[in-house]
Amino acid sequence: DTEVTQTPKHLVMGMTNKKSLKCEQHMGHRAMYWYKQKAKKPPELMFVYSYEKLSINESVPSRFSPECPNSSLLNLHLHALQPEDSALYLCASSYAGHRRGAFFGQGTRLTVV
Amino acid sequence: AQKVTQAQTEISVVEKEDVTLDCVYETRDTTYYLFWYKQPPSGELVFLIRRNSFDEQNEISGRYSWNFQKSTSSFNFTITASQVVDSAVYFCALSEAGPRGGSNYKLTFGKGTLLTVNP
Repeated sequence: DTEVTQTPKHLVMGMTNKKSLKCEQHMGHRAMYWYKQKAKKPPELMFVYSYEKLSINESVPSRFSPECPNSSLLNLHLHALQPEDSALYLCASSYAGHRRGAFFGQGTRLTVV
Repeated sequence: AQKVTQAQTEISVVEKEDVTLDCVYETRDTTYYLFWYKQPPSGELVFLIRRNSFDEQNEISGRYSWNFQKSTSSFNFTITASQVVDSAVYFCALSEAGPRGGSNYKLTFGKGTLLTVNP
């Protein structure tokens, strides 16, 4: 099973809404990632959790709040987003770092109105 | 600093043609890892291959093959007898080893090559 599951697949939210993106993997991976991808661009790293602790925050605005409840789950809480935050949000997981490669979910297509 | 260059922004071929996607990388590390990912219109990034810097053997998997050449810092990807289902954006990526050869959590992507295979 090399699957990373993300929900929801699509999300439309207003600028005053609060929503959460969810990600789950059962491969025993100890690193989980959030990436943001704008159209026709490569993914950009947002956050990394390693062994359930926040390891990297790429200077992401505080309106994005990650959470790692356990080694299999990763959430991204969204609040007071801007229209320019509309993008594909990808979750990924790996054993530890990228030595063996990372596996990505299908992403959540977020539209902020 | 590490960098990945995919000079081909878009490639269009007719089904059954062979196509090569180029990838050139820059790194100061002697230990690093190279990857290719496929991103179809559905959005998911599909892991295709991983290579470490000490393994220069070329690899073939069905219609896919990869040519890793450290001398030219290239890791090119060839699809033989392309099919419509191969249409996607393909990303080459690089990860340097962390301190003391340990894990590194950062992956540097190229800008991607959009491959369109026409019937």
